[in-house]
Amino acid sequence: DADVTQTPRNRITKTGKRIMLECSQTKGHDRMYWYRQDPGLGLRLIYYSFDVKDINKGEISDGYSVSRQAQAKFSLSLESAIPNQTALYFCATSDWTSGGNEQFFGPGTRLTVL
Amino acid sequence: DAKTTQPPSMDCAEGRAANLPCNHSTISGNEYVYWYRQIHSQGPQYIIHGLKNNETNEMASLIITEDRKSSTLILPHATLRDTAVYYCIVANAGGTSYGKLTFGQGTILTVHP
Repeated sequence: DADVTQTPRNRITKTGKRIMLECSQTKGHDRMYWYRQDPGLGLRLIYYSFDVKDINKGEISDGYSVSRQAQAKFSLSLESAIPNQTALYFCATSDWTSGGNEQFFGPGTRLTVL
Repeated sequence: DAKTTQPPSMDCAEGRAANLPCNHSTISGNEYVYWYRQIHSQGPQYIIHGLKNNETNEMASLIITEDRKSSTLILPHATLRDTAVYYCIVANAGGTSYGKLTFGQGTILTVHP
């Protein structure tokens, strides 16, 4: 079984709809991250969480919100989706003992906003 | 975090060593060099990291110059499955930027039969 899972894997939605992307991990890591990737570009950090009570904005947090329901679960919400949020979304985890920079990524969620 | 510069693309013959360069001339003393790769829209995969000494693991070797302004990732015997985008990232292992990685556009490595 995969250590970091993301649901759904693909989603097509309409402008204005609320969308939630979910991430779960079985690695026991304390740190979790959400990134987005646009075609031909590198990943950009949306939000990150160092533990259940710690949520931080990343480089491009506008239009997104997150919830860390438990150490193993980190959800990303788009309250009112817009077309330029069409992208590939990745969740990642890391452990403080590795310095936080050895991150383990999920398989990604491909989101299309029409 | 220091900015990195990588060639946009490289080719390598299967079975040969792939040497991927990275320039990070503004790296500071407490910043590490990390390498990740991403195989066709899959989640990025951690490869290796180092501070100033050369490092080797089961996937690759990392050579960091003495002045730390550049590094080279070496895949000793490239296979077709190594075709991917390779990202060189410089990041602190602590402080307020702890765990925040900045992915550039990377190097597209194509391994040919």
